[in-house]
Amino acid sequence: KNEVEQSPQNLTAQEGEFITINCSYSVGISALHWLQQHPGGGIVSLFMLSSGKKKHGRLIATINIQEKHSSLHITASHPRDSAVYICAALNYGGSQGNLIFGKGTKLSVKP
Amino acid sequence: NAGVTQTPKFQVLKTGQSMTLQCAQDMNHNSMYWYRQDPGMGLRLIYYSASEGTTDKGEVPNGYNVSRLNKREFSLRLESAAPSQTSVYFCASRTTGSTFYSNQPQHFGDGTRLSIL
Repeated sequence: KNEVEQSPQNLTAQEGEFITINCSYSVGISALHWLQQHPGGGIVSLFMLSSGKKKHGRLIATINIQEKHSSLHITASHPRDSAVYICAALNYGGSQGNLIFGKGTKLSVKP
Repeated sequence: NAGVTQTPKFQVLKTGQSMTLQCAQDMNHNSMYWYRQDPGMGLRLIYYSASEGTTDKGEVPNGYNVSRLNKREFSLRLESAAPSQTSVYFCASRTTGSTFYSNQPQHFGDGTRLSIL
């Protein structure tokens, strides 16, 4: 069993829909990292959070440490949101910064 | 705003050839990482360097060597390329230090697409 599991693997939405991507982990973590990878291949950091909720524009990330679960929400989705979204757990202690990655969720937003 | 720069962006090698992937960051980060990304799998850590002068193996180090040339640069070498090393390679960096700084995100380069025939 993978230590970091994402669901769904693939997600197709219509423009304007509210989107949720889930991430569950089985290891002790210091923080959880959400990343975005566009079709061109580059990887961009969206959020790093260790508790509660963070918001940036139309993106919201939440984490429940007790339940070992995090969600990434996209409000009013747009075709430019189409990308692979990756969650990664920062190992407990975090001094080396080593991440354990999920396999990613491929999001496609149709106009 | 260069961030993390990887060269080359694309490369095709023949089995048995050697090659060095270059990575440089201009953010004065202590830690640097090399990953590979394969279809259907998450990013996997090949090697990392927690600070200048140190390197450590990650999850999939076999067939690779690394050099932390200075604080800015961290290179990945394939001594004798094999088809199984066909992948997209990413370099990343982050600031570290005391526990206070531990929850800092990694910053990624744009990747190197490597094909080995």
